[in-house]
Amino acid sequence: EDQVTQSPEALRLQEGESSSLNCSYTVSGLRGLFWYRQDPGKGPEFLFTLYSAGEEKEKERLKATLTKKESFLHITAPKPEDSATYLCAVPKAAGNKLTFGGGTRVLVKP
Amino acid sequence: GAVVSQHPSWVICKSGTSVKIECRSLDFQATTMFWYRQFPKQSLMLMATSNEGSKATYEQGVEKDKFLINHASLTLSTLTVTSAHPEDSSFYICSAPPGTYNSPLHFGNGTRLTVT
Repeated sequence: EDQVTQSPEALRLQEGESSSLNCSYTVSGLRGLFWYRQDPGKGPEFLFTLYSAGEEKEKERLKATLTKKESFLHITAPKPEDSATYLCAVPKAAGNKLTFGGGTRVLVKP
Repeated sequence: GAVVSQHPSWVICKSGTSVKIECRSLDFQATTMFWYRQFPKQSLMLMATSNEGSKATYEQGVEKDKFLINHASLTLSTLTVTSAHPEDSSFYICSAPPGTYNSPLHFGNGTRLTVT
C-alpha cells in the first residue's frame, strides 16, 4: 500500500529564515508526486508536479526536488504570506486518486 | 485555469437532518470527481469517487448509505450526508481532474459542516 509521510509536522520560522520540508514516500511505481498549499478553511492549491528523480521545479520562494525515496520543498527567505500547510501527495495505482501525507504546518513570523 | 466550485462553504445543521454539498467543474467536464474529508489538523482522506452516469465507488470504511453521492452531469457532483450526527462534523472537499491522466487535481474550497 502506498505511504506518504511528511516531516516535520509543524515548522515555525522567522521571516527570511530558509528551511526545507520533507516528504518520504513508498509506492509501487511512482506516477508523479504533487505538492499543494492549503490555507486555513480552504481547499488545497496546486504548486508542483515532479515525475522523476533529479527533477526540480521552482515558483517564487519555493523549490521542490525529488529523489527516488523522498521529495523536499525548500522555502527560501520566507515571508509571512508563505504561512500555510504544505501537503504532498502521490497518485494511487489507477486513476487520479491521491494519497496525501499528513502535511507540514508552516508559520512564518515577521 | 481549471476551477472547481463547491457550495455551500459552510453549513450548520441539527443532528438527524441531511445536508447536500455541491461540487461543480466550471470550465471543464469531469467524468469523475473525488470527495475528501479532513478533520482538524489532519490530512485529506479520500472518501469516494463520483462517476458520471454510474454508481460512486467508496473507500474502505466509508458508509455508502450515509454519504450519498450523485454525479448527474459532467459538471456536477453532489454529496449528501444523511441523518447527520456530530461525529460527521468535518471539512469536506471535492476535487476533479481537469484533463489528462496524472494532471494535477483541482480542489474546491471545501465545505465546513457542523452538526449540533
